Formats: sequence, C-alpha cells, structure tokens
Amino acid sequence: DSGVTQTPKHLITATGQRVTLRCSPRSGDLSVYWYQQSLDQGLQFLIQYYNGEERAKGNILERFSAQQFPDLHSELNLSSLELGDSALYFCASSVFSGYNEQFFGPGTRLTVL
Amino acid sequence: DQQVKQNSPSLSVQEGRISILNCDYTNSMFDYFLWYKKYPAEGPTFLISISSIKDKNEDGRFTVFLNKSAKHLSLHIVPSQPGDSAVYFCAATGSSNTGKLIFGQGTTLQVKP
Repeated sequence: DSGVTQTPKHLITATGQRVTLRCSPRSGDLSVYWYQQSLDQGLQFLIQYYNGEERAKGNILERFSAQQFPDLHSELNLSSLELGDSALYFCASSVFSGYNEQFFGPGTRLTVL
Repeated sequence: DQQVKQNSPSLSVQEGRISILNCDYTNSMFDYFLWYKKYPAEGPTFLISISSIKDKNEDGRFTVFLNKSAKHLSLHIVPSQPGDSAVYFCAATGSSNTGKLIFGQGTTLQVKP
C-alpha cells in the first residue's frame, strides 16, 4: 500500500459525458501528479500540482482539467469523453517537486462506451 | 517521439539467476532515473533511482547502472525470485523544478521456479 488513494476504482460511462477522478496523496506529500496509461501505450504524464499550484503540464487534452485543493487532494476532470479516453488513470504523489520518487495510487480504470 | 525506450517487451529467467532489464534514452537533459515495478491491477511501485552524478546504485537485490555516454541504464536483479515477475518500467526526468517523469513502454519479466 503506497498510501495514495484513488476513487473510484472503476468507472464506466458514455461518450460525451463528464467524469471526475479523485486522488488523496500520502500524508505530508505536497506534489500530486496525474498519468494516463492507454492499452497500447506506456504511462503518459498529464499534469502536476505542487502545494495547490500547477507546476507542469504534459500532453493533456483541453477537455481535461485538474486542480489541487487546500487539503492537498486532487481531482482530474474529463469532459466530452471519447472512446479513446478509455484508459487507466494513475495519481502519484511525492514530498516535493523535482528529484524524488513518486508513489502511485492503484489507479482508476475508465471505460467509455 | 519515444525519449525513453525499453526495447525488450519481455524477459524470462530462471529462479536464482540474474535478471537484466535495459533502458535507453535520447534526451541528454535527463539526469535522474527511476525504475518501477508493476503488478496487474496495481499502481507502479518505486524500486530504485539513480542520479546522473553516479554510475551505480544498489539496494538489496536491485542494482541500477547508468552509462551516460551511451545514454543507457540497466536494472540488475540478483538473485531473481518468482515474486519478481511483473512489468518493469524505467522513467527519466530532466527537471529539478518539476517531477515530470517520462516512462518507457515496460518490460515484462517472468521468473520461472
């Protein structure tokens, strides 16, 4: 158990819908990261927040957005969902930003029908 | 543009022998590297890391070697155990300010009893 929690574990929805994935980092970690793992791809970095502020952005679609709240939990919002958005979404956290190991949650499996 | 490559999709070794997993990178700005292990239906688990000022880092049965001139790193597992059977990802970052990790595609290791 990494100490990072993600909810829900599974999510099935239809095209065009909007969903919210939630992540609670390890106690004391200030940085939260979101990654996407599609069927035929490795883990792709989406976005990072550090102590409530956006720190880095990857190839995140405009239909996707995220935020980190004062209690440091984070939410990833996915809207106008398409079939290709079906993937595993992982949240990770670390103590600080930069050169330190990231601890991953168990992931949310999103299926768009 | 695959900046981190794991050219072997799979590897099979006998229990007790050495497992060597390889990773190549193209971006010379990368200066911190990590290895993660992933079991099905779980998030990646951090194994070991190495910064570019070192060429070797050891933690128990796991050793990571870094050859900067060749832009190559490897993970050695000695001795291999059946519980090591998993997907192994190498990851790299070149930013001390963010934690954006670039992952390889992964290598599936099977350790046979």
